Amino acid sequence: DAKTTQPTSMDCAEGRAANLPCNHSTISGNEYVYWYRQIHSQGPQYIIHGLKNNETNEMASLIITEDRKSSTLILPHATLRDTAVYYCIVRSNSGYALNFGKGTSLLVTP
Amino acid sequence: DTAVSQTPKYLVTQMGNDKSIKCEQNLGHDTMYWYKQDSKKFLKIMFSYNNKELIINETVPNRFSPKSPDKAHLNLHINSLELGDSAVYFCASSQDLRSGDTQYFGPGTRLTVL
Repeated sequence: DAKTTQPTSMDCAEGRAANLPCNHSTISGNEYVYWYRQIHSQGPQYIIHGLKNNETNEMASLIITEDRKSSTLILPHATLRDTAVYYCIVRSNSGYALNFGKGTSLLVTP
Repeated sequence: DTAVSQTPKYLVTQMGNDKSIKCEQNLGHDTMYWYKQDSKKFLKIMFSYNNKELIINETVPNRFSPKSPDKAHLNLHINSLELGDSAVYFCASSQDLRSGDTQYFGPGTRLTVL
C-alpha cells in the first residue's frame, strides 16, 4: 500500500471549514483513499473514501487531485466534537487491513 | 444498538496471566479484525478473519490466539501476558474483504499488564 504524509497537527475555529491535506504521491491506480478519525479514547470511525472522483457525504467532502497524488478532507462547518486525530489511508484491493499512520491531530477551538 | 462491542472495556492483570477479550458484531459482516494501539498511539493490524477463516496474521507472538466460533464473534486470547502487551485493543468488522469496504470499530479494550 502507498505511504501517506499528513501534517502532525492543525487548528480550526468552530464553524469554519477544516481542510485536512494528505499526500500519497506513490498511489497506484487500484488504490483507494480512505479517511478515518479517532476521537479521544474511542475506536476509529469511518468518514469517507474515494478512488478518482470527488466524494461527499453527510460528514465530509473528499477532494482528490487529478493525478491522485494528494487529497483533501473537508469538514464544512467544524464543531468542537470534530476534535480528533484524522487518518488518511491508501488501500489496495489486495490489502485487507487498514494501515494507520500518525494522522493529523485536529483541534477545533471555540 | 451497538454495532461492534467488546468486553471488557478495561482489563488489569499481572504478568504471566492468561486473559481473553471478546468481540461481537451484529452487522451481519463476514470479516472481522483485531488491531493493537500502543502507547505511542500507533494502530496496527494483528489478525483478520473472513467467514471464520484466518486471513491475516501479522507478526504477532504466538501467545496471541484469535478464535472465531462464528461469523459474529472474534475473540482474542492472550497467554503468558507481558508488560509490552499493555495497549488498547480494537476489534473491527467489514462486510467482506472486497476493496472499497469500510471497517467499523468497537470501543476498544484497554489492557494493563502489571
